[in-house]
Amino acid sequence: GAVVSQHPSWVICKSGTSVKIECRSLDFQATTMFWYRQFPKKSLMLMATSNEGSKATYEQGVEKDKFLINHASLTLSTLTVTSAHPEDSSFYICSARQGLNQPQHFGDGTRLSIL
Amino acid sequence: DQQVKQNSPSLSVQEGRISILNCDYTNSMFDYFLWYKKYPAEGPTFLISISSIKDKNEDGRFTVFLNKSAKHLSLHIVPSQPGDSAVYFCAASGIEYGNKLVFGAGTILRVKS
Repeated sequence: GAVVSQHPSWVICKSGTSVKIECRSLDFQATTMFWYRQFPKKSLMLMATSNEGSKATYEQGVEKDKFLINHASLTLSTLTVTSAHPEDSSFYICSARQGLNQPQHFGDGTRLSIL
Repeated sequence: DQQVKQNSPSLSVQEGRISILNCDYTNSMFDYFLWYKKYPAEGPTFLISISSIKDKNEDGRFTVFLNKSAKHLSLHIVPSQPGDSAVYFCAASGIEYGNKLVFGAGTILRVKS
């Protein structure tokens, strides 16, 4: 149980393109979903917290107009990297949690490469 | 300001022996702790958690110990298997942080056969 699916797993696109990443909880309802970014040899950096039906809460230093998050249902959240540039190239990972003091379950991540 | 620290970047253990991964935290408001395992190019996999009201939690080969006075937790894997080779992240959470996870930097575990 507790499977989180993230799609796509790898994206290569040109600078200026917008890229949408989907995160789905397959066998549970996720009241909260989280989006992380991981730089090489670094830990996971939380970008934003998303609750179903409400606006996402962004961490300090994360541009909300750059990283658009939509959490339209209890099983789906999307992250759109708008007008992506090479510095946005990274590994993006989502997680989903069923309730407070429940573990977060992670997707397999999306490797984004902007040329 | 690292609130969750994993001071050993790597650990090498012989197959069949015990692996002990350590984690220290600075904020006494954390009340829920988790360990995740991560392979390259994959998302972290939840292993085991412990609430601050307990000092030990066991699940198969994995045991997590929590020492609140020392603000220290450890993950014991016994017996260690080659498939356990991965990066292990310690994470802490608390109501003060909106129950978001604060991760350590990770420890690379290599289990040699």
